[in-house]
Amino acid sequence: DTEVTQTPKHLVMGMTNKKSLKCEQHMGHRAMYWYKQKAKKPPELMFVYSYEKLSINESVPSRFSPECPNSSLLNLHLHALQPEDSALYLCASSQESGQGGYTFGSGTRLTVV
Amino acid sequence: DAKTTQPPSMDCAEGRAANLPCNHSTISGNEYVYWYRQIHSQGPQYIIHGLKNNETNEMASLIITEDRKSSTLILPHATLRDTAVYYCIVRVTGGGLLRGNTPLVFGKGTRLSVIA
Repeated sequence: DTEVTQTPKHLVMGMTNKKSLKCEQHMGHRAMYWYKQKAKKPPELMFVYSYEKLSINESVPSRFSPECPNSSLLNLHLHALQPEDSALYLCASSQESGQGGYTFGSGTRLTVV
Repeated sequence: DAKTTQPPSMDCAEGRAANLPCNHSTISGNEYVYWYRQIHSQGPQYIIHGLKNNETNEMASLIITEDRKSSTLILPHATLRDTAVYYCIVRVTGGGLLRGNTPLVFGKGTRLSVIA
């Protein structure tokens, strides 16, 4: 299995809702990442997990809460989002050394109404 | 503070070689050059990477100048499916995230349009 699977592919949520994005990989990668991508912009790094521990938080607002319950799963919990948080959320994984490149999922397209 | 400079857009005729340049004049000795691409509405895809030697794989070739201040990604026979945004990224890898390895940070990239 050489894929990163993200669910759901599309999500519409209200500003008072709580939802979660899920990411799964079975490549034995011990580093996992969340990126946010607005239209016509490059992906922006949000969080980095290394060996299931949060190692980088790029000053992301607390309404985004990541979780890595095991080495194969990465979640992003969403609460009280704003319309400007609407974006494509990408998950990626890699060997912890970073060698060999990152494998990205196809993303969750989030719309906040 | 961008570490790389790429042209915002390029066109290439189908079947011809696409040569995408990247300047990284402040690259450090332990930083690798990575190339990724992102086809519309998909996640980025790893293409190739190198330190100082030229590299080739089934997707592309990477030519790095001797002073390492610039590089060129070559798609030898571009097809319409190669239309995408191409990102050149320099970063430290190999030591692990806890030992100075830097995560992937994207710049603006080059939008390559392959034309029939």
